[in-house]
Amino acid sequence: NAGVTQTPKFQVLKTGQSMTLQCAQDMNHEYMSWYRQDPGMGLRLIHYSVGAGITDQGEVPNGYNVSRSTTEDFPLRLLSAAPSQTSVYFCASSLLIGGAGNTIYFGEGSWLTVV
Amino acid sequence: GQQVMQIPQYQHVQEGEDFTTYCNSSTTLSNIQWYKQRPGGHPVFLIQLVKSGEVKKQKRLTFQFGEAKKNSSLHITATQTTDVGTYFCAGSDLYSGAGSYQLTFGKGTKLSVIP
Repeated sequence: NAGVTQTPKFQVLKTGQSMTLQCAQDMNHEYMSWYRQDPGMGLRLIHYSVGAGITDQGEVPNGYNVSRSTTEDFPLRLLSAAPSQTSVYFCASSLLIGGAGNTIYFGEGSWLTVV
Repeated sequence: GQQVMQIPQYQHVQEGEDFTTYCNSSTTLSNIQWYKQRPGGHPVFLIQLVKSGEVKKQKRLTFQFGEAKKNSSLHITATQTTDVGTYFCAGSDLYSGAGSYQLTFGKGTKLSVIP
């Protein structure tokens, strides 16, 4: 059971370039999300999805696009990379269970540098 | 919107000393979760608290959920070098229209243990 798989692990981009961070989970989780982590800022939600075909914005969505064509995959697209997008990106997934809440499973992270 | 404050931001302790991190929410929570992130790693789920006044223990770790369900704490007894990392709390707003699957993370407490 692979859990949440993210690729690439490391990437250097030039300002203005676009790229896609891939995320896949094999746990049949309905909920998937992308976070960015910056020093002193904790984990900030970029976009999330509660099922195939459904996406919504989180706290810091600007400059990013997502799609959810299948339950398993949730790619994050950087449209025109900027130095402010230099960060560590985590994909995460969980079951959707009302009431008690859900454990979030994180991928291993993608270190992105924009120069 | 919901805010989750976590203090302290950093804590340096001598090996064998105790450590506590505190989490406070601006709103009443339906549940609170704790995660640990080792240096260079990804956040890993530790525990979830749901009931008012709940206390749970995992070996040297003690987790508490406040009576008003607006605060929580993580206490580590007799720290070891293996405890090094950043500890995050994350809460779901009890009255959020988005449902209990949406978590707001605190900024984390980074623990350093001096051998």
